[in-house]
Amino acid sequence: GDSVTQMEGPVTLSEEAFLTINCTYTATGYPSLFWYVQYPGEGLQLLLKATKADDKGSNKGFEATYRKETTSFHLEKGSVQVSDSAVYFCALKSWTGGFKTIFGAGTRLFVKA
Amino acid sequence: DTEVTQTPKHLVMGMTNKKSLKCEQHMGHRAMYWYKQKAKKPPELMFVYSYEKLSINESVPSRFSPECPNSSLLNLHLHALQPEDSALYLCASSQGRLAGNYNEQFFGPGTRLTVL
Repeated sequence: GDSVTQMEGPVTLSEEAFLTINCTYTATGYPSLFWYVQYPGEGLQLLLKATKADDKGSNKGFEATYRKETTSFHLEKGSVQVSDSAVYFCALKSWTGGFKTIFGAGTRLFVKA
Repeated sequence: DTEVTQTPKHLVMGMTNKKSLKCEQHMGHRAMYWYKQKAKKPPELMFVYSYEKLSINESVPSRFSPECPNSSLLNLHLHALQPEDSALYLCASSQGRLAGNYNEQFFGPGTRLTVL
């Protein structure tokens, strides 16, 4: 079945450091890929998405490129802020999965001032 | 309005109580979801309603009973819960199947449930 694998956290960075959170997936067909963010005490919010190979999703300085050849969707940001501290979930949806969103385990990010 | 609202924000209940969680959206979405999220884990899908009909039940115990009174509302009725049911319960909505698999989910802030 479909699955998503994320790098284990927590990830601790200093402010203005470069961020990469790795995400790889296994899916039949052509899934859509998502990054969701969950701030402390809140629900999940969509951060960015990509619906076909080579698409780049971007939002709030975060970027991720849909790489079908490596089945990856790594999240990057050039300069993190303290306010980026949160849990980041990589996720996919595919036709074969119907309505189901498959989430990765989540990566907790701590950014120090 | 791109918001999913959930009430109550916090709920403490005993194992013999009956309570309900409520969720509302006014985005015209025709798919609505209940998830359970334990600490430091991703959300686990419980139920999916599509066009007000139950589409997916992920083998959830019968002490959880979902209801979709109309296209904007989703309830989760709770009865005879166990302490291990304590978790964050998240509601989400998305455009229905006709919009394809490209559509993201919009999540509410959740209800923090504690079962004593």
